Amino acid sequence: DAGVIQSPRHEVTEMGQEVTLRCKPISGHDYLFWYRQTMMRGLELLIYFNNNVPIDDSGMPEDRFSAKMPNASFSTLKIQPSEPRDSAVYFCASSSGGDEQFFGPGTRLTVL
Amino acid sequence: QKEVEQDPGPLSVPEGAIVSLNCTYSNSAFQYFMWYRQYSRKGPELLMYTYSSGNKEDGRFTAQVDKSSKYISLFIRDSQPSDSATYLCAMTRNFNKFYFGSGTKLNVKP
Repeated sequence: DAGVIQSPRHEVTEMGQEVTLRCKPISGHDYLFWYRQTMMRGLELLIYFNNNVPIDDSGMPEDRFSAKMPNASFSTLKIQPSEPRDSAVYFCASSSGGDEQFFGPGTRLTVL
Repeated sequence: QKEVEQDPGPLSVPEGAIVSLNCTYSNSAFQYFMWYRQYSRKGPELLMYTYSSGNKEDGRFTAQVDKSSKYISLFIRDSQPSDSATYLCAMTRNFNKFYFGSGTKLNVKP
């Protein structure tokens, strides 16, 4: 298996633009997590899905952020409109509900 | 107060030293405790996992959990330059929602 796949790996955009981050989880995993990592706040859980259904989105910072999982092999995290304080590395992770989460390589987002 | 507190470091040690990394937490409901290792510009990878209180050893790595003190540790013996990375503790009640520490950056000097 190729592991968790994220795209793009790097994204540079201007304030006010829409940003869409994509994730393909490991086949067979029924949990999918979106995290944001910054130096100041560390690794923060934004939202997680179980069987394509959002279970806990309490970490989503505000209405500008939205996440979808239309099927078991694809998820998106959208920021609209983006702001400079959204600059961070965004990780997607998947698991089968056990002790290990498998992380993707991350998307490094810079909002100018 | 954050659910999990971890000293960000950085921690710099000579090769061969014993390294001690620690986290404290506030939620007594946490049952499962993990340590992840993250190399620069990579995603975190699971290093060790412990259930409830006690010790677990895996090669040069030992994880300790003290639930009465809400304190977990990771010890690295005979540290190597290849151990240089950021180490994140994580914990969960039920493998659904995970709470991560902010990570401690470790540098092992040759």
